[in-house]
Amino acid sequence: DAKTTQPPSMDCAEGRAANLPCNHSTISGNEYVYWYRQIHSQGPQYIIHGLKNNETNEMASLIITEDRKSSTLILPHATLRDTAVYYCIVSVYGSSNTGKLIFGQGTTLQVKP
Amino acid sequence: DTGVSQDPRHKITKRGQNVTFRCDPISEHNRLYWYRQTLGQGPEFLTYFQNEAQLEKSRLLSDRFSAERPKGSFSTLEIQRTEQGDSAMYLCASSFPAGRGYTFGSGTRLTVV
Repeated sequence: DAKTTQPPSMDCAEGRAANLPCNHSTISGNEYVYWYRQIHSQGPQYIIHGLKNNETNEMASLIITEDRKSSTLILPHATLRDTAVYYCIVSVYGSSNTGKLIFGQGTTLQVKP
Repeated sequence: DTGVSQDPRHKITKRGQNVTFRCDPISEHNRLYWYRQTLGQGPEFLTYFQNEAQLEKSRLLSDRFSAERPKGSFSTLEIQRTEQGDSAMYLCASSFPAGRGYTFGSGTRLTVV
């Protein structure tokens, strides 16, 4: 079973920031938080990952709480092309591990004009 | 490099027939994964290769399923005696060992009639 809990759906106005929450209260010390998204009929796309520090890349920012029990993915200026299912996943990182991902149901983000 | 390629994109087969899917990963990636995704659900892990070695198989991978990765390059997933319950999107992904993030292919959509 997935170790994360996400709201099933969210709406966001185009041009505004989209803040997608994720709860992972049972996360282990060696597990990272990963975010992927899946646009209809395509394979999932990696967005960002982090351990305990906030992370930012060209796609998004990841804010992880100090106790690591929850996180928020931020899309700073959502566009219609960001409409997708967003998956929050916790997984062990490193060459000695399988690295398999356990997907939940994700959050369907609808960006509206 | 154009990413992870999967062939075919769509496959319709009659129940009881055998089907084979191919995945060409990113050439520098030594890890390769197969996932299955049914409608409305997140992807489910099937199996994992590191180079040519198949290191983990999900219990979802019944004895009708077999996967290979000869020479640690492309991979094939074969389903024998297909059943209607096998209808799904079959996704392939590859990654570096450090687990930075997967690159998924666009998937093969299988319909068993």
